Amino acid sequence: SQQGEEDPQALSIQEGENATMNCSYKTSINNLQWYRQNSGRGLVHLILIRSNEREKHSGRLRVTLDTSKKSSSLLITASRAADTASYFCARGNTGGFKTIFGAGTRLFVKA
Amino acid sequence: EAGVAQSPRYKIIEKRQSVAFWCNPISGHATLYWYQQILGQGPKLLIQFQNNGVVDDSQLPKDRFSAERLKGVDSTLKIQPAKLEDSAVYLCASSLPGTSGGTQYFGPGTRLLVL
Repeated sequence: SQQGEEDPQALSIQEGENATMNCSYKTSINNLQWYRQNSGRGLVHLILIRSNEREKHSGRLRVTLDTSKKSSSLLITASRAADTASYFCARGNTGGFKTIFGAGTRLFVKA
Repeated sequence: EAGVAQSPRYKIIEKRQSVAFWCNPISGHATLYWYQQILGQGPKLLIQFQNNGVVDDSQLPKDRFSAERLKGVDSTLKIQPAKLEDSAVYLCASSLPGTSGGTQYFGPGTRLLVL
């Protein structure tokens, strides 16, 4: 499969807790992006991290990238019920324009 | 700013019938993508256009799927004839030109059910 590996496949936490999702990939990348998908708003871009960056923040989101391990993680701090959604990593491969999505992590935040 | 528009939102057809989906990208976005998302999976790229030229269609089942982007703006994706396994959500996305794997803006999708 060309898709990256995301783990865990599903995650259930209490409101206020932190949620960490991981993404691994096999080929070299230009960048890695995280997207959120819920039934109300469709697929929405959250954050993009370039291959020469190690960490990036956006509000309650923190993304790290370790190109030596070919992995990335998304941390959502102080989670809210509204964070309930599927989260996908998508990598932009070098040598082309294709963006390849992983299978996603399904996050459920209990109020 | 208007987002990516898609129509129809839902479609139910019988196998072996034909179906077409339409997408209007964000104004000024030269790159347009069609994805297929099967329930429980991530989006799979079917075809990518840069203006009206095809950049990648390696995962498009060309014996039954076709897509065009006339004048480098709107795009249509057609399935003829449809199979049961084509039941999925078809997502259209667009992005600014010249960005390798850059930020994509997605439409609401068309949910297709093939009976």
